[in-house]
Amino acid sequence: KAGVTQTPRYLIKTRGQQVTLSCSPISGHRSVSWYQQTPGQGLQFLFEYFSETQRNKGNFPGRFSGRQFSNSRSEMNVSTLELGDSALYLCASTKLTGRDQPQHFGDGTRLSIL
Amino acid sequence: KQEVTQIPAALSVPEGENLVLNCSFTDSAIYNLQWFRQDPGKGLTSLLLIQSSQREQTSGRLNASLDKSSGRSTLYIAASQPGDSATYLCAVRQEKGSARQLTFGSGTQLTVLP
Repeated sequence: KAGVTQTPRYLIKTRGQQVTLSCSPISGHRSVSWYQQTPGQGLQFLFEYFSETQRNKGNFPGRFSGRQFSNSRSEMNVSTLELGDSALYLCASTKLTGRDQPQHFGDGTRLSIL
Repeated sequence: KQEVTQIPAALSVPEGENLVLNCSFTDSAIYNLQWFRQDPGKGLTSLLLIQSSQREQTSGRLNASLDKSSGRSTLYIAASQPGDSATYLCAVRQEKGSARQLTFGSGTQLTVLP
């Protein structure tokens, strides 16, 4: 069974540019969440999507946005990139049926801002 | 606001030792707690999930316990091996609503020496 797939694995951008990251969840998983991981702040929740709707949002500026498609694949977009956006961006998927389903993470996209 | 703390931040042990990693959280109104491992440059691998009504979960050489009322969880690793070297993270999901947002600790970096 394929795991959570994130593309691209690495990305280098310059300040002011925008970027789109992609996440394909495990087959049958309808919830997709995004997290940012940095050495200083650790892992922080960005947002969650299911049924193509944002369900929950973390404390990040409006430059961070996302969407989910009908096949549960998700993208996140960061506009007007800043140096502080350099991070590992992780996507997690979960089943929506049954109690207490674990979240399964992809290997992330490493974003570097020059 | 939920805060999750992991102590120690780093741990180095000789191969074969049994060890305990600690996780504490400030708000006991949690839905579940999940332990992950993260290898360098990789995403998170789910190890164990403990529901709020459970006391412990076991998988192979791993045993996780949960004391919800005192806001503590431990991950016990038996007969440690060099392949166990990684960063171990605990994360809690709050009880409110249907949000699957996880709040993470900063992790314990484990090194098992051959």
